[in-house]
Amino acid sequence: DGGITQSPKYLFRKEGQNVTLSCEQNLNHDAMYWYRQDPGQGLRLIYYSQIVNDFQKGDIAEGYSVSREKKESFPLTVTSAQKNPTAFYLCASSRGRPSSRETQYFGPGTRLLVL
Amino acid sequence: AQKITQTQPGMFVQEKEAVTLDCTYDTSDPSYGLFWYKQPSSGEMIFLIYQGSYDQQNATEGRYSLNFQKARKSANLVISASQLGDSAMYFCAMRETGGGNKLTFGTGTQLKVEL
Repeated sequence: DGGITQSPKYLFRKEGQNVTLSCEQNLNHDAMYWYRQDPGQGLRLIYYSQIVNDFQKGDIAEGYSVSREKKESFPLTVTSAQKNPTAFYLCASSRGRPSSRETQYFGPGTRLLVL
Repeated sequence: AQKITQTQPGMFVQEKEAVTLDCTYDTSDPSYGLFWYKQPSSGEMIFLIYQGSYDQQNATEGRYSLNFQKARKSANLVISASQLGDSAMYFCAMRETGGGNKLTFGTGTQLKVEL
């Protein structure tokens, strides 16, 4: 089945530690995105990538880093510089067409907790 | 100013009744798209329905329809014949053509369907 997978489902981070969240898609989509969701809030864009080897900062990129070495993979690293990383992280992908109709499809999410 | 506003933090509806979830938006871009997503307690965001700014007719997808009032900048989601499985968080989102592929989300409405 085509879709987006995220791992792990739950992730625990110690103070001062970097952690990496995995996102893989087999939809042959060009564009991929990372969002953060806090309780009672909508999704906020962290980083996005329109094409392999290229990515742009979203609205809340500080304390995060990404790479896009392969079309199907877009890992997110939460660095120690991110002071409040506890949140639900969602990865999405889309075809990457420059159209208002462009629909993003989401993975199941990773819940990050700080110990 | 908020680009997407959802004023109903929570809604209750009886099974088999119809319910309307409100969404207003703010943009100066003449070309934009409006999306509704459903987020069950599992966390995954499920795409429900899309409305383009130039679409002449209101979008429909099964039991979901979008009441699009362009002059009032509103895009309300109507769920007909509510089912227990409709209980979830619902998010309205907008993509502005001038804003790349980014989606801007509202804060969501928690819908509870009761017997």
